Amino acid sequence: AQKITQTQPGMFVQEKEAVTLDCTYDTSDPSYGLFWYKQPSSGEMIFLIYQGSYDQQNATEGRYSLNFQKARKSANLVISASQLGDSAMYFCAMEAGGGNKLTFGTGTQLKVEL
Amino acid sequence: GAGVSQSPSNKVTEKGKDVELRCDPISGHTALYWYRQSLGQGLEFLIYFQGNSAPDKSGLPSDRFSAERTGGSVSTLTIQRTQQEDSAVYLCASSSPGLGLEYGYTFGSGTRLTVV
Repeated sequence: AQKITQTQPGMFVQEKEAVTLDCTYDTSDPSYGLFWYKQPSSGEMIFLIYQGSYDQQNATEGRYSLNFQKARKSANLVISASQLGDSAMYFCAMEAGGGNKLTFGTGTQLKVEL
Repeated sequence: GAGVSQSPSNKVTEKGKDVELRCDPISGHTALYWYRQSLGQGLEFLIYFQGNSAPDKSGLPSDRFSAERTGGSVSTLTIQRTQQEDSAVYLCASSSPGLGLEYGYTFGSGTRLTVV
C-alpha cells in the first residue's frame, strides 16, 4: 500500500521569502511518481510539479522545485519568492505500481503574509 | 471542452435520497477518475476508467456508490440512499496516459454534496 505523510497542517511565510512544504512517502514499488497540487479557496486542484522515481535531477517549474531525497523517501516542495497568490492548500500525492490512481496526503495550508 | 466540467457545482439532498453527479472530461482524454474530499482531508480515490477496460472500482466505499462512463466520455457517479457521511466534495479528473503522468491530471472544480 502507498502512503503520503504531510506533517505541517499550516505554514506561514512572508512575501518574497522561500518556504519548504514537507512530504514523506512510503511504497514498496520501485517505480513511482510524486506530484504536488495547489488548491486555492475556490476548490480547483492545480498541478504544480512532478518527480519520477528514476529521475536523477530534482524537478523545477518556475518558482517551484521539488527536493527529492530518495533514500529518505521525502519529496519536499520549495516555493521561492512567495507571493500573496500562493496562499492555498498544498497536497503531495503519489502514483505507484502503474495503477494510475493518486494517493494524497492530508495537505498543508500555506498563508503568505505581507 | 477546454477543461473538465462537473455538474452540479453544489447539491443539497435529504438523507436517503439518490444523487447523480456528472463529469465531462477533456475531449480526447481516455482516462477518467473520481475522488472524494471530505472536509479538511486529502483526496480519496473512488474509481478509475481507462478506455474500454473494466473500471478500477477498488476505492468505492460501499455498494451504494456506483459509476458509469458512456461512450468513453461523460461519466456519472451515483450515490444511492445517501447518508450524512457522504457529504463531501466529489472531484473528477481526466488524463491522457499516452502523454505520461508527468503532464498531470486535470481536475474539475468539483461537486459539493451536502446530505441533510
